[in-house]
Amino acid sequence: GAGVSQSPSNKVTEKGKDVELRCDPISGHTALYWYRQSLGQGLEFLIYFQGNSAPDKSGLPSDRFSAERTGGSVSTLTIQRTQQEDSAVYLCASSLGANGNYGYTFGSGTRLTVV
Amino acid sequence: AQSVTQLGSHVSVSEGALVLLRCNYSSSVPPYLFWYVQYPNQGLQLLLKYTTGATLVKGINGFEAEFKKSETSFHLTKPSAHMSDAAEYFCAVSLSPISGGYNKLIFGAGTRLAVHP
Repeated sequence: GAGVSQSPSNKVTEKGKDVELRCDPISGHTALYWYRQSLGQGLEFLIYFQGNSAPDKSGLPSDRFSAERTGGSVSTLTIQRTQQEDSAVYLCASSLGANGNYGYTFGSGTRLTVV
Repeated sequence: AQSVTQLGSHVSVSEGALVLLRCNYSSSVPPYLFWYVQYPNQGLQLLLKYTTGATLVKGINGFEAEFKKSETSFHLTKPSAHMSDAAEYFCAVSLSPISGGYNKLIFGAGTRLAVHP
């Protein structure tokens, strides 16, 4: 597609439920990233994919968080047993490659609210 | 390890005044530097980037930034603010490929720019 697409744009869930957040990167972008933006905070790195592999998942805050990418394209971030502190905007980005010369293209994010 | 410090979480300027958003970085290897802008309820949009070459880089919407290695700074400026510039601005650093790093961006905490008439 023309840009990075994220769905849903908003998600309200009850504490303890599982949620799945989806990211469709730009076609041909091999690198994909997930970030979390909490209220009044900067962007916190979660995980990086190159193709379907995740060479860097050092930012995942706990084992309740997992992510996968299939076909070198769509990625899903799953949060199990959600907690109120998981409330944030989850941003996905993709880039043409892993070279630092490439900038990221960001999606509009999924705003997650845990009640 | 890389890090980014943005001085001032909030900056307020008058329309037509100079915009100066400060960014200092820490990196043990030559960095790539970026500025992104985020409008309300939107994702981040790349304003400009420095990789190699000329240290003064120009971006979209009249913004520019200068890489000063001796000061480890990459401040963002615009000569004359417009109301439409009101947004949040993020400075970011990534490793250059010389070090073998991949394109992982480390972001600063952001600076919210307000422009008043």
